[in-house]
Amino acid sequence: GESVGLHLPTLSVQEGDNSIINCAYSNSASDYFIWYKQESGKGPQFIIDIRSNMDKRQGQRVTVLLNKTVKHLSLQIAATQPGDSAVYFCAEIPSLGTYKYIFGTGTRLKVLA
Amino acid sequence: ETGVTQSPTHLIKTRGQQVTLRCSSQSGHNTVSWYQQALGQGPQFIFQYYREEENGRGNFPPRFSGLQFPNYSSELNVNALELDDSALYLCASSLVQGPYNEQFFGPGTRLTVL
Repeated sequence: GESVGLHLPTLSVQEGDNSIINCAYSNSASDYFIWYKQESGKGPQFIIDIRSNMDKRQGQRVTVLLNKTVKHLSLQIAATQPGDSAVYFCAEIPSLGTYKYIFGTGTRLKVLA
Repeated sequence: ETGVTQSPTHLIKTRGQQVTLRCSSQSGHNTVSWYQQALGQGPQFIFQYYREEENGRGNFPPRFSGLQFPNYSSELNVNALELDDSALYLCASSLVQGPYNEQFFGPGTRLTVL
């Protein structure tokens, strides 16, 4: 079946360190992946996306890596800041054109001062 | 540019009742998707509306229904509420320009069923 899961439910990092949040997906045919950040009381906010024809994409302080061989996705946050504290979700679109996003359970990132 | 808005913010209902949640899509967006997010879980896709018609549905029973209006706003209706329907209901809008459409989420409606 379709599923997207995360290895670590909670991640604590020191302010200024780099964070790595991991995600495993099960549908090898999925073509598009997105990382979302959700702060308390708010809806998910788009961070970065990547298409299956890429293995790396960089944004501002964030990098997404895609390993299709092992169906693994990761989000790297450089120089983690207190404002990065939130729950992070990976999502996959298993079928082009349907816009059905499959979300994982989420990882809570705690930034320690 | 106005973002996605949802109403009400919070809602308390009792088991067996019916509820209607509302969503206004981001300006210019013609597609609306609804998600259910249980506490501590990721959002689960309920259904999507495009041009006032349902365009894809997740694993939710028929008592979950929706509407999309000509102005692209949308409603989610849930009949015969059950305790497990307690969740954050998220609406997301997008603009159909191809398969890689970013969905913009609203803040959600927190539904509590007693």
